[in-house]
Amino acid sequence: DQQVKQNSPSLSVQEGRISILNCDYTNSMFDYFLWYKKYPAEGPTFLISISSIKDKNEDGRFTVFLNKSAKHLSLHIVPSQPGDSAVYFCAASAPDTGRRALTFGSGTRLQVQP
Amino acid sequence: DGGITQSPKYLFRKEGQNVTLSCEQNLNHDAMYWYRQDPGQGLRLIYYSQIVNDFQKGDIAEGYSVSREKKESFPLTVTSAQKNPTAFYLCASTPGTSGYNEQFFGPGTRLTVL
Repeated sequence: DQQVKQNSPSLSVQEGRISILNCDYTNSMFDYFLWYKKYPAEGPTFLISISSIKDKNEDGRFTVFLNKSAKHLSLHIVPSQPGDSAVYFCAASAPDTGRRALTFGSGTRLQVQP
Repeated sequence: DGGITQSPKYLFRKEGQNVTLSCEQNLNHDAMYWYRQDPGQGLRLIYYSQIVNDFQKGDIAEGYSVSREKKESFPLTVTSAQKNPTAFYLCASTPGTSGYNEQFFGPGTRLTVL
């Protein structure tokens, strides 16, 4: 049972346009959400996060939106750059058992065309 | 500078052999985690440790073992009991498990069973 889902395995956008990556979750106990960027054969790099008390968090070109009623979050990248091409993982954590481990989606491969 | 190191980057193992993957961090983080990534999938939690001399099973712990004798070190042993060990293994750490903290990842170890 996938608790975090990224239904689009890939996305292609033109340089300078907006990239929108989507993520859905089922566990209502999740209270912290993160986006990671990953290149092949490397560890994920943290991009941006949002707690469940907010509905938007912005950091430079990256904005994350959280819709708790829909159990949906999205990452917006504006403007997109070729260096943004990578796999993006959505992750979530819950305060259950105190472990604060992350539950990951399966990733979306973003290709930004020059 | 601070970070997480994993070694080796590539590891080959014959069937029936145990092998140990190294993970070291100098971030002074209390909590450490091991994840496994398979092609086209997100990361799945193997083991985690919230503090020295304590560790807990994650979602896919069968066939794996860990130790946490030092704060900075969290080695993972892949035993012969692990039925499908070929995967990309990622170690992560975070300051603690209370509150909202992103996890920092190492570069990963790719294990191939011959």
